[in-house]
Amino acid sequence: GAVVSQHPSWVICKSGTSVKIECRSLDFQATTMFWYRQFPKQSLMLMATSNEGSKATYEQGVEKDKFLINHASLTLSTLTVTSAHPEDSSFYICSATGDGSPLHFGNGTRLTVT
Amino acid sequence: GESVGLHLPTLSVQEGDNSIINCAYSNSASDYFIWYKQESGKGPQFIIDIRSNMDKRQGQRVTVLLNKTVKHLSLQIAATQPGDSAVYFCAERRGNTDKLIFGTGTRLQVFP
Repeated sequence: GAVVSQHPSWVICKSGTSVKIECRSLDFQATTMFWYRQFPKQSLMLMATSNEGSKATYEQGVEKDKFLINHASLTLSTLTVTSAHPEDSSFYICSATGDGSPLHFGNGTRLTVT
Repeated sequence: GESVGLHLPTLSVQEGDNSIINCAYSNSASDYFIWYKQESGKGPQFIIDIRSNMDKRQGQRVTVLLNKTVKHLSLQIAATQPGDSAVYFCAERRGNTDKLIFGTGTRLQVFP
């Protein structure tokens, strides 16, 4: 089946630094990728929708200048958390679609900001 | 705002019993629903889906029921096994997009 890979699986960074998370579709062309954030014991909250070659669409309340999304190819989208703060610590999950099948999810990236 | 919610945050069942996880959704325009299973530290795993023109769909040991009249979705797991222990989310797709809105989740605990 379709596989979506995220990297890194976990990262620890200092407050004020930026962190980049990659999401790759390994065996299909992902025309659309989605980025979610999940706090402990909570549901997945959609942050933004990313279409290949165009600007991402952010959900209400998500700062586009803080969470930079790039979807430069049909197999790669990146999320950069800029000037990270402890409250940005969360589980970030990407999903991808492009073949008409249900969304395929990555295994998430655990971000801890100290 | 609008959301997809669940009635029970935690469900404990004995191994071998059937499990029923419920979900209420609020947007009548949603046309596609998916159940996901999420194990600790992992991303959601697709279980089963159903379109709004159906009211029941069966998979291997799982059945999804959709009641559009009351905007209710349920996931039935037959002969629940320890490996079924996880958090289960329902998700709805609204309109002609691939954007999924997730419910609050139910933790399923299976005890011997």
